[in-house]
Amino acid sequence: AQSVTQLDSQVPVFEEAPVELRCNYSSSVSVYLFWYVQYPNQGLQLLLKYLSGSTLVESINGFEAEFNKSQTSFHLRKPSVHISDTAEYFCAVSDPGKAAGNKLTFGGGTRVLVKP
Amino acid sequence: NAGVTQTPKFQVLKTGQSMTLQCAQDMNHEYMSWYRQDPGMGLRLIHYSVGAGITDQGEVPNGYNVSRSTTEDFPLRLLSAAPSQTSVYFCASSYGGYYGYTFGSGTRLTVV
Repeated sequence: AQSVTQLDSQVPVFEEAPVELRCNYSSSVSVYLFWYVQYPNQGLQLLLKYLSGSTLVESINGFEAEFNKSQTSFHLRKPSVHISDTAEYFCAVSDPGKAAGNKLTFGGGTRVLVKP
Repeated sequence: NAGVTQTPKFQVLKTGQSMTLQCAQDMNHEYMSWYRQDPGMGLRLIHYSVGAGITDQGEVPNGYNVSRSTTEDFPLRLLSAAPSQTSVYFCASSYGGYYGYTFGSGTRLTVV
C-alpha cells in the first residue's frame, strides 16, 4: 500500500523568505506525484505534478518540486514567499492503474503561515 | 464550465439521520472519488468510481454508500449519521492519473 508522509505539520515563514515543504512516499510501483494547495475555506487546487522525465517541475506561481527516486521524496520549494501563499499544502501520490481508479493517497498536510 | 459542483455546502445532522451529499461534474471525466478531510489526517478516500456503473471502496468506506448511474453524478449517502462522520467532504473527478483530480469546494458536515 502507498503512504505519504509530510514531515512538517506547520511552517511559519517571513514574507520574501524561502520555504521548503518536505514530502516522502512509499510505494512498490511507479507513481505519479502531486502537490495540491488549499486556501482557507476552499477546495484543493493542483499546484504541480511529476509524471516522468525531468525531475524538477515548476508551477506558474513560482513553486518548484524535485523528484528524488533514491530518497522517494518530492519536496516543494519557493525561493521567496508572499502573504498570499498562506495556505495548506498537500503532497499526494497516484496509483496509475486504471482498475485502481488512479486513486490519490494524501499526506497529512503542511500549513504555511507567511508573516509580514 | 462549472467543474465539480457539490451540494449542500453546509449541513447539520442529528445522530441516526440519513442524507445524500450531491456531486456533479460537467467535464466528462471517467474517474470520480469522495474524500473526507479531518485535521492532521489529510484527505482519506471513502469510495471511488472508474466509470458509470462501477464503484469500489476506498480507505474509510464504513457508513457510506455510493452509486454511479451516469458519468456526471456521484452521490454519497450517509446511512445513519454518527458524530465520527463530522468532517469536510470533497468530491473530485479526473480524466486519468496524468491529469490529476479536480476538486469541488466541499461540504462541511456536522453530526450532533
